[in-house]
Amino acid sequence: DVKVTQSSRYLVKRTGEKVFLECVQDMDHENMFWYRQDPGLGLRLIYFSYDVKMKEKGDIPEGYSVSREKKERFSLILESASTNQTSMYLCASTQPGGTQGSGELFFGEGSRLTVL
Amino acid sequence: GDSVTQMEGPVTLSEEAFLTINCTYTATGYPSLFWYVQYPGEGLQLLLKATKADDKGSNKGFEATYRKETTSFHLEKGSVQVSDSAVYFCALSGGFKTIFGAGTRLFVKA
Repeated sequence: DVKVTQSSRYLVKRTGEKVFLECVQDMDHENMFWYRQDPGLGLRLIYFSYDVKMKEKGDIPEGYSVSREKKERFSLILESASTNQTSMYLCASTQPGGTQGSGELFFGEGSRLTVL
Repeated sequence: GDSVTQMEGPVTLSEEAFLTINCTYTATGYPSLFWYVQYPGEGLQLLLKATKADDKGSNKGFEATYRKETTSFHLEKGSVQVSDSAVYFCALSGGFKTIFGAGTRLFVKA
């Protein structure tokens, strides 16, 4: 069974702390993504990666960074957490599509982060 | 830029009622269109997809048709069940990125 695994389902951190969210996929997918999900806003793309050590900014990269040292692992880093980063974070992966672009996204179960 | 607009929720229906969730999009080129579903406490999973105009995606009794002339991809189900209670996201994909609508929460009452 294909799987995207996020290391923490629930985290509570204090303002200013450094936060690491880990994501691992076992499907040998090239593309990996980090989204945040907020009520009424849907999913917004933070960063994505199309290859090892490659990263691209999404729509809301401010306050975040990422790391992709191995193909199967994509980490999201909050250098100094703030209360407005309280959210649900979703990792996803996919194989690149043809001219139609990316195909199906496979999601992890999400990491709910609360910053106090 | 590309965008997806879907009807606001929540939508509350009785079991066996007909469901429609509207979705329209704006895009350059010819994107693929998707419906994802998120059950409580879980991540999103693909419900159905369509990759070109007039394609119909279907799964678990849900259907949606890619309408290029109206730039729409409305989700329908003839008879909903309590187990269909979830949040439904319309999405489009062209290139590297997938763009999501805001989501529509569905409650089905027994």
